[in-house]
Amino acid sequence: KQEVTQIPAALSVPEGENLVLNCSFTDSAIYNLQWFRQDPGKGLTSLLLIQSSQREQTSGRLNASLDKSSGRSTLYIAASQPGDSATYLCAVIANTGTASKLTFGTGTRLQVTL
Amino acid sequence: GAVVSQHPSWVICKSGTSVKIECRSLDFQATTMFWYRQFPKQSLMLMATSNEGSKATYEQGVEKDKFLINHASLTLSTLTVTSAHPEDSSFYICSAKKPPLNLQQYFGPGTRLTVT
Repeated sequence: KQEVTQIPAALSVPEGENLVLNCSFTDSAIYNLQWFRQDPGKGLTSLLLIQSSQREQTSGRLNASLDKSSGRSTLYIAASQPGDSATYLCAVIANTGTASKLTFGTGTRLQVTL
Repeated sequence: GAVVSQHPSWVICKSGTSVKIECRSLDFQATTMFWYRQFPKQSLMLMATSNEGSKATYEQGVEKDKFLINHASLTLSTLTVTSAHPEDSSFYICSAKKPPLNLQQYFGPGTRLTVT
């Protein structure tokens, strides 16, 4: 059974700092890995999706990397802003097609302070 | 785009009653939708996979007679929590896959259910 863990569980940083969020998964036979953002009481916003054949994806100040063999992914946030405060979730997909399921990590609650 | 909506956004019901939550794909047709629940400060747990025109597939430990799922059209899936109890209070989120690639799931804004 796939298990996805995120470290740290919570993180507080001052504005402007660069930071790294970690995600590890136990079964390396994944198809995709996806990073999401969730604001309190809200749904999920997709940030980046990395296919298994890729090693990283970038969008603005965000960069996500994937190392399938070691079962790890990192989300790098550059020049953090208070608006980045949210919970960040990583999720892995084991299969292709319509039946594929997302297994979510435990999440990292990020607070960026002024 | 790929927009998924949920209705209602929040609902309060009395113990023993049933409540229905709707999940709609607004600008695409989805043959597959997913239902998740999320307890406070915890991650999302998949409850079931909803397939248009067929029975839903439930995850282990999820009572299918308690959480009734209907996917009657390509844009609508419903989750009915029957005989709700306070322990069913949770945040319910749906998602939908957008064909033809079905590469990722698009999530709705969630429904907060409180059972008193």
